[in-house]
Amino acid sequence: DTEVTQTPKHLVMGMTNKKSLKCEQHMGHRAMYWYKQKAKKPPELMFVYSYEKLSINESVPSRFSPECPNSSLLNLHLHALQPEDSALYLCASSQEDRSYEQYFGPGTRLTVT
Amino acid sequence: DAKTTQPPSMDCAEGRAANLPCNHSTISGNEYVYWYRQIHSQGPQYIIHGLKNNETNEMASLIITEDRKSSTLILPHATLRDTAVYYCIVRPPFIYNQGGKLIFGQGTELSVKP
Repeated sequence: DTEVTQTPKHLVMGMTNKKSLKCEQHMGHRAMYWYKQKAKKPPELMFVYSYEKLSINESVPSRFSPECPNSSLLNLHLHALQPEDSALYLCASSQEDRSYEQYFGPGTRLTVT
Repeated sequence: DAKTTQPPSMDCAEGRAANLPCNHSTISGNEYVYWYRQIHSQGPQYIIHGLKNNETNEMASLIITEDRKSSTLILPHATLRDTAVYYCIVRPPFIYNQGGKLIFGQGTELSVKP
């Protein structure tokens, strides 16, 4: 199984809402990533988890809160977002954090109204 | 980190080879070249990587020049399903506890036409 799954596929939320994005992999990978991709732009790294510990936070605003409850699961908690946070949120995993062969999920298309 | 330069767009006829160039003139000796692609509305997909030798797998071939300042990704028989944005990425040296930090450039939008 080489699949990374993400739910939901689409999410519309208001600026006062709290919501969560979920990412799951069952490949035994020990590194997991969140990327943000605006329309017509390349993906940008947000967070890296290595062995369930946060190892990189690319100066992401605190309204985005990642969580890695176990080695297969990665969440991104969203609170008080702004319309400019509307984007495709991609999750990826790799065997370990030394590996640049990352497997990406299909993403969650987020719209903040 | 070494910067990459790719043409913004290219066309290729179906069944022909697609040759996607990438310039990385500031690459250092221990930096690998990685290629990913992103088909519309999907997540990026790893294709291939190399250091200095040419590499081939079931998806593509990677040709790196001897001075390592540029490379070419070759899709030998392009199909309509190969229409995607192709990203050439120079992997920065691994830093302990910093993760596999992929930095995507603007990429090349490849259109394969019937």
